[in-house]
This record gives sequence, C-alpha cells and structure tokens, in this order.
Amino acid sequence: DADVTQTPRNRITKTGKRIMLECSQTKGHDRMYWYRQDPGLGLQLIYYSFDVKDINKGEISDGYSVSRQAQAKFSLSLESAIPNQTALYFCATRRSSFRTKEQFFGPGTRLTVL
Amino acid sequence: AQSVTQLGSHVSVSEGALVLLRCNYSSSVPPYLFWYVQYPNQGLQLLLKYTSAATLVKGINGFEAEFKKSETSFHLTKPSAHMSDAAEYFCAVSGRNGNQFYFGTGTSLTVIP
Repeated sequence: DADVTQTPRNRITKTGKRIMLECSQTKGHDRMYWYRQDPGLGLQLIYYSFDVKDINKGEISDGYSVSRQAQAKFSLSLESAIPNQTALYFCATRRSSFRTKEQFFGPGTRLTVL
Repeated sequence: AQSVTQLGSHVSVSEGALVLLRCNYSSSVPPYLFWYVQYPNQGLQLLLKYTSAATLVKGINGFEAEFKKSETSFHLTKPSAHMSDAAEYFCAVSGRNGNQFYFGTGTSLTVIP
C-alpha cells in the first residue's frame, strides 16, 4: 500500500471551476507539502504545513488555498481554476524529527484546466 | 537564499556508458542535498542524500554523488548506464532546518541501446 496517496490521479476541469486535490499519508509524518511541476521548471512549492495549525505559503501560492484537516490529510484547492494552472501536482511529507530531512512524495495528480 | 542549477535538461548516454548528471547549488550555509528520480507517470523517489557525513554518497540502483564544497557541486554518477535508468532526475537543496526544499529544473536521461 502506498504511504502517500493523492486523489484524483487525473482531473480535467473548466476555467472558473473550483477544484480540490487531496493528499493522505499513513507515514505518521507531521509536515506536508504541495508542489506543482511544469515541464522545464522543476518543482515549485505552493504551500506547506508543519502541523494542523501551522500553514505557510510557498513560492507560488497565489490562486491556491490549502486545508490541513488532520495530521494525515492536506488538501489543495483552486478556487477558480485557470488554464495556466494546468500542471502535475505533488504532495510530499516529512517527519520533522528526521535528521536527514528527506521528503516522501505521492504519485501526483495531473490537472488540466480547459 | 538557496537555489539549485542543473546543467543540461536532456542527457543521452549509451547503454553501459558512464552517467554524469550535474548539479550546482547556492546556499549561505552548509546544506542538505538530495537527488530524486522520477519514472514516467510516477512520483519522485529518493536516490541519495548528503547530510554532512561522508562527502561521497552511495544511493540506490548503483548511483552515487560527491559533495564538493569548493565547487558547490553535487554531481550524480553511475559507472554503467542501464536501460531502466531512463527517467527524469532532480537535484534538491534544503537548509539545515529542512523546512523547504528547492529543486532544480530536472535532467531527462535517455539511455540508447
């Protein structure tokens, strides 16, 4: 079973629609992250959360919002989707007590905004 | 501020040849460094990491990387490429607190039979 899961895996939506991407983890990690990946740009950080009550903006938070419903769940919302939000979205987790700091990634959600 | 530069967005090697993927970082403090691999339609998988222990780091699938502070580099190598190594490779840097990662733009590796 996957430790970090994302739903849906693929989504096509229309401009102006509200959409939510969900991330769940069974790793017991306290920190969770949302990234978007665009060809040639690598991964860019959208939001990150240190725990349920600690949410932080990343490099490209405009047009996005997040909710940390529980330690294991971190959702990303696009309030009014636009075509340039078409991208591959990844959720990642990390345990703050790990000395080595690595993040563990979900399989990704491919979002297309028409 | 931290940043990562990966030279070469596309690298092609013959099967059995040396793989060299370049990564240079910019960091005001000694960083943690990582290489991740992304196979088609999959998430990122950790290949190896540098955390201020040995400067030569061995990872999975025969990959290794050497941290060179004087050159601010963390290049990824594998002595002999295999067809299954074809993937996208990302270098990432984190500060000592690990709060944020900064990723390079990725290098797509093609292995030619």
